[in-house]
Amino acid sequence: GQQLNQSPQSMFIQEGEDVSMNCTSSSIFNTWLWYKQDPGEGPVLLIALYKAGELTSNGRLTAQFGITRKDSFLNISASIPSDVGIYFCAGSYNNNDMRFGAGTRLTVKP
Amino acid sequence: NAGVTQTPKFQVLKTGQSMTLQCAQDMNHNSMYWYRQDPGMGLRLIYYSASEGTTDKGEVPNGYNVSRLNKREFSLRLESAAPSQTSVYFCASSEGVSGELFFGEGSRLTVL
Repeated sequence: GQQLNQSPQSMFIQEGEDVSMNCTSSSIFNTWLWYKQDPGEGPVLLIALYKAGELTSNGRLTAQFGITRKDSFLNISASIPSDVGIYFCAGSYNNNDMRFGAGTRLTVKP
Repeated sequence: NAGVTQTPKFQVLKTGQSMTLQCAQDMNHNSMYWYRQDPGMGLRLIYYSASEGTTDKGEVPNGYNVSRLNKREFSLRLESAAPSQTSVYFCASSEGVSGELFFGEGSRLTVL
């Protein structure tokens, strides 16, 4: 089955720093999604990617769909305290079997 | 709009008891999903339904059954709960294949 490896597992950064996290898959995807989860809530979509090589921004967030179709990364620039949470990648290939990475827990120190 | 609504939000069961988690969406989405979330393991897909009348197994279907009652509702049933099923369960919906998932707030289940 599809395996998603997300790294790093956790990050502790200072407010204002940039953040980078990534996901790799054992098989190719045609959709990569990035989500953020706050405590006690469901994940909320940040960025959706549908094309190999695609680079998409949403405010201070930038994500890319890897050219091999087996990886994706998410960058957060100039982090702020409200960026704290767990970030998940998710991917699928032409079906509804959407798999998630284990998550990156981000802590931002003021 | 309420989006995706799950009930109950919290439940405690004894080993061997049964229960059903209910999920409803008001976005007219075709696809619905059930995930479980355990510490350090992200979200794992239990079952999904690509459209009304169809259901498919995901990554961890054992011990669960699902019913796509109509386009709006997708329920998850535990016939004989086990402590290993202690988890937070999330329902989600999407418009179509490989589409963006919209999640409910989660249902926290504890099996003693």
